[in-house]
Amino acid sequence: GQNIDQPTEMTATEGAIVQINCTYQTSGFNGLFWYQQHAGEAPTFLSYNVLDGLEEKGRFSSFLSRSKGYSYLLLKELQMKDSASYLCAVMDSNYQLIWGAGTKLIIKP
Amino acid sequence: ETGVTQTPRHLVMGMTNKKSLKCEQHLGHNAMYWYKQSAKKPLELMFVYSLEERVENNSVPSRFSPECPNSSHLFLHLHTLQPEDSALYLCASSQGDSTTGELFFGEGSRLTVL
Repeated sequence: GQNIDQPTEMTATEGAIVQINCTYQTSGFNGLFWYQQHAGEAPTFLSYNVLDGLEEKGRFSSFLSRSKGYSYLLLKELQMKDSASYLCAVMDSNYQLIWGAGTKLIIKP
Repeated sequence: ETGVTQTPRHLVMGMTNKKSLKCEQHLGHNAMYWYKQSAKKPLELMFVYSLEERVENNSVPSRFSPECPNSSHLFLHLHTLQPEDSALYLCASSQGDSTTGELFFGEGSRLTVL
């Protein structure tokens, strides 16, 4: 079967750096997505990786290793507003999005 | 504001009720989706419409009935639901189908079935 694994919950300190990992096993690969979802709000697109390597976008970076079936989302200079759930999703060979259950990130002062 | 609006935001219904969820997108997209989001579970794709035609129905029970009258509007009609159907129902849209990637989500309709 197809599977996306990410930690259920993480805690980090304001101003610090946190890395949220995502591992996947899917039938084929056509890209990996990260979405952010604040409590009670819509998920919003953060990043898309289809080639190996690091994509940087401001304080957020996303890394992909296709050979390892692995990605991470790196958040720098954490702010309280970064408290949210982070959803990892992989597009399989049929262009279907397979979703992880999300990682709830708690930022403490 | 994502450009996708869902109403109602909250809904409580009994198992014998009939209700509908509404979604409207103001982005000019031509594909729309219904997802179910339950606590600590992955998003579950329910229905996909592309150019107002249903292209996917992921074995969803018939007590959920979608309707897409035009490319800007999507409904989910609910009838004789079960308590386990309580969840957040998310609508999303995209330009083209999901092969192009980015989905734009609404804030969801929180459904409670008593």
